[in-house]
Amino acid sequence: EVQLVESGGGLVQPGRSLRLSCTGSGFTFGDYAMSWFRQAPGKGLEWVGFIRSKAYGGTTEYAASVKGRFAISRDDSKSIAYLQMNSLKSEDTAVYYCARVAAVILHWYFGLWGRGTLVTVSS
Amino acid sequence: DIVMTQSPDSLAVSLGERATINCKSSQSVLNTSNNDKYIAWYQQKPGQPPKLLIYWASTRESGVPDRFSGSGSGTDFTLTISSLQAEDVAVYYCQQYYSTPLTFGAGTKVEIK
Repeated sequence: EVQLVESGGGLVQPGRSLRLSCTGSGFTFGDYAMSWFRQAPGKGLEWVGFIRSKAYGGTTEYAASVKGRFAISRDDSKSIAYLQMNSLKSEDTAVYYCARVAAVILHWYFGLWGRGTLVTVSS
Repeated sequence: DIVMTQSPDSLAVSLGERATINCKSSQSVLNTSNNDKYIAWYQQKPGQPPKLLIYWASTRESGVPDRFSGSGSGTDFTLTISSLQAEDVAVYYCQQYYSTPLTFGAGTKVEIK
């Protein structure tokens, strides 16, 4: 079955760090760009950042709200994408989703999503 | 940044009737060299992740019922559900992928009247 599974969420204090993982299965993980999104409670969708596949340079881009604090990486040998979150703030509280672009040819619409993992930043 | 403005915020439609959701981008998301429109539509049901319905403004994702259709050009786009079914109750989002940051509309909640 083609799927993405996020893990690593939980309760964390402001200023601390957390690393989320997104494990893919059922497809050739390394062929696809991966992205992270978040959704604060009761709110809409917000793009966090993405990482291109190695074929497209493996480079990353981020939303302004997380740039310099969050970092996305990937380990294609393990079919995992990571979201390293540092200097967390209360406003980072959200369900975090990873998603895969719909096609190997790189366009940024997303046909496969994980079920999400909740990150709560609170003292 | 490209701002995506959806309307209405919510709508209630009778079963079997048409639902129309609008999405306006603050600048063109049209690639004039090939006429591609960089708009996707997603459906999100409570407690679930988003599901891709439409991309390139009007291309239906595999497996999506043909009662869902997308249209539009330049800066104005529409998602239409031609005959609302009970399982279509959800929040619908448009997304532009013309440039980063990728941005979404605020969502339109569709309910049964």
